[in-house]
Amino acid sequence: RKEVEQDPGPFNVPEGATVAFNCTYSNSASQSFFWYRQDCRKEPKLLMSVYSSGNEDGRFTAQLNRASQYISLLIRDSKLSDSATYLCALYTDKLIFGTGTRLQVFP
Amino acid sequence: DADVTQTPRNRITKTGKRIMLECSQTKGHDRMYWYRQDPGLGLRLIYYSFDVKDINKGEISDGYSVSRQAQAKFSLSLESAIPNQTALYFCATSDNQGYYEQYFGPGTRLTVT
Repeated sequence: RKEVEQDPGPFNVPEGATVAFNCTYSNSASQSFFWYRQDCRKEPKLLMSVYSSGNEDGRFTAQLNRASQYISLLIRDSKLSDSATYLCALYTDKLIFGTGTRLQVFP
Repeated sequence: DADVTQTPRNRITKTGKRIMLECSQTKGHDRMYWYRQDPGLGLRLIYYSFDVKDINKGEISDGYSVSRQAQAKFSLSLESAIPNQTALYFCATSDNQGYYEQYFGPGTRLTVT
């Protein structure tokens, strides 16, 4: 089983929609969790860290479920500019990335 | 100015040639990393360094070597490039406090013909 798994998508959603991605992980010792955003052929950029209590940043909400070993990212009121690939990452002794979920928001 | 820079940004080289990719950072971070990204395979760690005297192999270090010349500089070498090393290469940095978020350079697109 891969250490980190994501649905590659693409998720095609209209502007204004709410969309959610999950990311499952296999190592229960994972300490820290993150969501990164990557635009085509660009570097990944940190979107948000994922705290045990969950956290929200504007239209974005991240959650951690340690019992079921997954993290989630919810995007509300999707914008065209949200179109990108979203990578989850988790830290044990080093950062492990998922292969990403592609989101395409259409008008 | 960008906090993490990489040179060159694009490079085409021939099989068997030696090539060096360079990374510099102004974030003051101790930890630096080299990744490669291939379609469908995601980011894979090549080497990482937690300080100037520390070098560690990552998931796919064969065919690569690194040098940590200073806290701010970490270079990746391909001693004898081969076509399956064609990829997008990223350097990243992180501090050693808290949650270990990583900050990436803009990437080097390497093509080996």
